[in-house]
Amino acid sequence: DAGVIQSPRHEVTEMGQEVTLRCKPISGHNSLFWYRQTMMRGLELLIYFNNNVPIDDSGMPEDRFSAKMPNASFSTLKIQPSEPRDSAVYFCASGQGREETQYFGPGTRLLVL
Amino acid sequence: DQQVKQNSPSLSVQEGRISILNCDYTNSMFDYFLWYKKYPAEGPTFLISISSIKDKNEDGRFTVFLNKSAKHLSLHIVPSQPGDSAVYFCAASSGTSYGKLTFGQGTILTVHP
Repeated sequence: DAGVIQSPRHEVTEMGQEVTLRCKPISGHNSLFWYRQTMMRGLELLIYFNNNVPIDDSGMPEDRFSAKMPNASFSTLKIQPSEPRDSAVYFCASGQGREETQYFGPGTRLLVL
Repeated sequence: DQQVKQNSPSLSVQEGRISILNCDYTNSMFDYFLWYKKYPAEGPTFLISISSIKDKNEDGRFTVFLNKSAKHLSLHIVPSQPGDSAVYFCAASSGTSYGKLTFGQGTILTVHP
């Protein structure tokens, strides 16, 4: 049974470019979470969806960040334009609502030059 | 405002001894607590959890203790093994959050042979 799938695994881009991170949650899970991990701030929640609807985006750092979940099996996190301070590891996780155990993907390591 | 805190950035123990990782929280609405383990270049994986109606939960070598009055939880690993070397994250959620987790900063555990 496949776990959470994220792509790409690594992304190197230049400042000002658009970056799109992709996530496929575990089939049957109805909650999806995007996290960012940095040395300074640890693991912080950016946004989460329940049944494809954004529930809380208060963790999104600024308007340059946007996330969508067009269907139950796909989500994107977009940064436009990207900046060097966006460099981090971005994780997607999925779960089954109130069942708090979340299953994480392997992460996308983003480097903005 | 960090609602979940892991005040020890790192912990080093000898193989076979006990590892104790600590976590404090400030939000009295949190009613479910989890520990995740993370290896380099992988996403966090669920380890053990505890509901606020309990004060202890045990799973093999891992035991989580919850002290609600002190808003403190701890993870005990007995006996510690070199394969336990990883980053350990404490996380918490409240009943109205659709499974949203608030994570601590993490503690790097190193178990020496």
